[in-house]
Amino acid sequence: DVKVTQSSRYLVKRTGEKVFLECVQDMDHENMFWYRQDPGLGLRLIYFSYDVKMKEKGDIPEGYSVSREKKERFSLILESASTNQTSMYLCASSWGRRLRIRDTEAFFGQGTRLTVV
Amino acid sequence: EDQVTQSPEALRLQEGESSSLNCSYTVSGLRGLFWYRQDPGKGPEFLFTLYSAGEEKEKERLKATLTKKESFLHITAPKPEDSATYLCAVRLRFGNEKLTFGTGTRLTIIP
Repeated sequence: DVKVTQSSRYLVKRTGEKVFLECVQDMDHENMFWYRQDPGLGLRLIYFSYDVKMKEKGDIPEGYSVSREKKERFSLILESASTNQTSMYLCASSWGRRLRIRDTEAFFGQGTRLTVV
Repeated sequence: EDQVTQSPEALRLQEGESSSLNCSYTVSGLRGLFWYRQDPGKGPEFLFTLYSAGEEKEKERLKATLTKKESFLHITAPKPEDSATYLCAVRLRFGNEKLTFGTGTRLTIIP
């Protein structure tokens, strides 16, 4: 089974702190994603990466950055946490387009509930 | 603009009462449509992928179907453990690898 593991289930941070959310996948997937999920807004893409050291902005990248130094690990960084970044953060991974045309479903981690106070 | 709309927002059913959830999409070229189940406080769990109109997939009490403009998730004789939020997402034929999600249908099955 594909396993996507997020480093924390719950985090409480103070406004202005630099926050790191870590995600590791064990299926050698090329693609990795960070989403946030808020009531009434659904899942919104923050950033994704299709290869090591490669990244692309999603729909709501402001206030966030990412790092992918190794294929299995994708980190989301909140440079200076603010209260409007309180949310559920979800990491996902999937096969890349060039390798698998049909097996393109994304597998999600268990989520990190971040509260910024 | 590419859009995914799910209806209804919430649905309450008696145990054994069959129904359908809807996911309609307006996108410029569909590469795949995905259904996920999400339990409270957890990440989405993959259920099905559909690629072309007319395709159907089944798993236990769930059956997903796809047309050119929408997908249905049919639930037959549901049980309380089927209570969850069901999410639909699309991946586009042209463009990057991201999934665009609908806001989900919260399904409650009453014993």
